[in-house]
Formats: sequence, structure tokens, C-alpha cells
Amino acid sequence: EVQLVESGGGLVQPGRSLKLSCVASGFTFSNYGMNWIRQAPGKGLEWVAYISSGSSYIYYAETVKGRFTISRDNAKNTLYLQMTSLRSEDTALYYCARNYYFDYWGQGVMVTVSS
Amino acid sequence: DIMMTQSPLSVAVTPGESASISCRSSKSLLHSNGITYLSWYLQRPEKSPQLLIYQISNLASGVSDRFSGSGSGTDFTLKISKVETEDVGIYYCVQFLEVPRTFGGGTKLELK
Repeated sequence: EVQLVESGGGLVQPGRSLKLSCVASGFTFSNYGMNWIRQAPGKGLEWVAYISSGSSYIYYAETVKGRFTISRDNAKNTLYLQMTSLRSEDTALYYCARNYYFDYWGQGVMVTVSS
Repeated sequence: DIMMTQSPLSVAVTPGESASISCRSSKSLLHSNGITYLSWYLQRPEKSPQLLIYQISNLASGVSDRFSGSGSGTDFTLKISKVETEDVGIYYCVQFLEVPRTFGGGTKLELK
């Protein structure tokens, strides 16, 4: 069974940093591209970033480019999102999702940016 | 960026009846390889989104065949036949032709 489990969220002050993790199981992690997608409270879905299976291709939404870094450790079956210079508008539930077309999603981890 | 527009914003359906949701993209989602990169997702209340359909009409694994997708180019439709209680939630279309991936605003399905 495919499982994606996010962690690392919490309450953080504006301008500070946070690192999210997504541990994958039930499939060969190193064979799949992965994404981060977020959902602000009461809002729709916003794609954040994508990393290819071997980390050769990385893409970001303009809203996070230069502030967020997606990475992965295939030996640990783990996807990461390093978030810096956080803003109130980054407050959201962050999901990791498998494959270029989001075929499996995690349960999400909440990030709240507030003073 | 490719803009995705869904309609209606919400739909109320009597259980057992059918529902259709429309999604329109600001440019054709047909790639030169012949694949159209359009998928549909359902987000049930307080749950993570789940993939329903990919590449316009391919049913995802484990998804009921009451769901079907159609369309081409820039106009797409998700049809739900014989609506059940478990179909309640918000439906999103997404394009995968280009980065950034973009979502429709969502269509909320409720029961009458």
C-alpha cells in the first residue's frame, strides 16, 4: 500500500524557516517524481514544487521561488521542503504527492506563519 | 500560466441522479505526443484529495466506474452517475501540460 506521511509543520514567525519531510513507503520511491502542494485554510489547491526521481529536474511556483527548496533522499525514501523567509500567506496545509500527476497524496501537515 | 476555470461553483444532486462538472483551460492541453494532460480529483470533507481520472478519461485504480471523463483540447467534463453519499466533496481539475501545474477553483458537490 502506498503511504506518504508528512511531518515538520507547526507555528512559525514571519521571516523564519521550517523544513517539512514526507516519508514514502509501499513503492519504489526512487522511481517517481514527487510534489509539494498546499491548501490555505478554506481555499483551493496550489502546486508548490516538483522534483524528478533523480533530482535532475526541479520546478517551483513563482510564489515560492527563491524561498523554498525541494529535495529528496532516495536512500531514506524521504522528500523535503525547506521553507525560508516565511510569510503569512504561506500558512497552509502542505501535502506531498507522488508522480507528475499526483496519483497518491499524504494526509498533509499544517504550517502556520504568524507572530 | 494556464488558467483552469471550473463550473458550476457548486451543484446539489439528488442521490441516484447524475452530475456533470465542466473544466476549461486557457490553452489546449494536448501535447505533441498525443496525450492530453488533464486530471480530476475529489477532496472529501476533511480528507486529502484523491485522483479520480487522468489524461481526460482514464479511471484511476480503485475508483468507481460511476465516474467518467470526457473532452478534448480546452474543454473537459467530469460526469458522476448515480450519485452516492460518498461522492460529496470538492472536485478539482488540474493541468499537467506545463509548469506551473494549475488547478481549477473547485466545484462543490452536495446532496439534495
